[in-house]
Amino acid sequence: ETGVTQSPTHLIKTRGQQVTLRCSSQSGHNTVSWYQQALGQGPQFIFQYYREEENGRGNFPPRFSGLQFPNYSSELNVNALELDDSALYLCASSFGFYNEQFFGPGTRLTVL
Amino acid sequence: QQQVKQSPQSLIVQKGGISIINCAYENTAFDYFPWYQQFPGKGPALLIAIRPDVSEKKEGRFTISFNKSAKQFSLHIMDSQPGDSATYFCAGKFGNEKLTFGTGTRLTIIP
Repeated sequence: ETGVTQSPTHLIKTRGQQVTLRCSSQSGHNTVSWYQQALGQGPQFIFQYYREEENGRGNFPPRFSGLQFPNYSSELNVNALELDDSALYLCASSFGFYNEQFFGPGTRLTVL
Repeated sequence: QQQVKQSPQSLIVQKGGISIINCAYENTAFDYFPWYQQFPGKGPALLIAIRPDVSEKKEGRFTISFNKSAKQFSLHIMDSQPGDSATYFCAGKFGNEKLTFGTGTRLTIIP
């Protein structure tokens, strides 16, 4: 059984650019949640996707958007990058909303 | 209203000692309280979780104590080992809603 994988591992962008982060959910999981973890902080919920539909969103601006594909993998897109977007971006998958979420290793995004 | 407050921010414990991390929550609707362990460069991994219908749950050296009336819960790590050195996060969740995390505790176990 393959766990949650994320790509890329690290990414460096400049302010104003756009970035796409990718997540492959664990086999059998149909729900993907994205979190932002700033240095020294706990993860903050960005949004969740269930069966290709957004199902819940945290306090993040519209320039944070996402997609879920028929195979339940997911993308996080961030437009007009700001310095404060520098963080570890975590993807977590689960089977439905009520079950345990399994986290991937994250993508470290640095915005210069 | 959705906050989870965690303390201490950092903790140093001698090998073999007991590590205790505390959390307090505000949302009385929370019905699931997990603890996550995170090593540098890794994502959080579920360590142990409790639901509010029990006051304690033990798994090996890890115990959650839950006080519903005080809206507090804590993680106890017995016989702490250097391999337990990591950052620990408590969290709360209601039904199908998001996980709300605490700010984390960096635990260091010294020989």
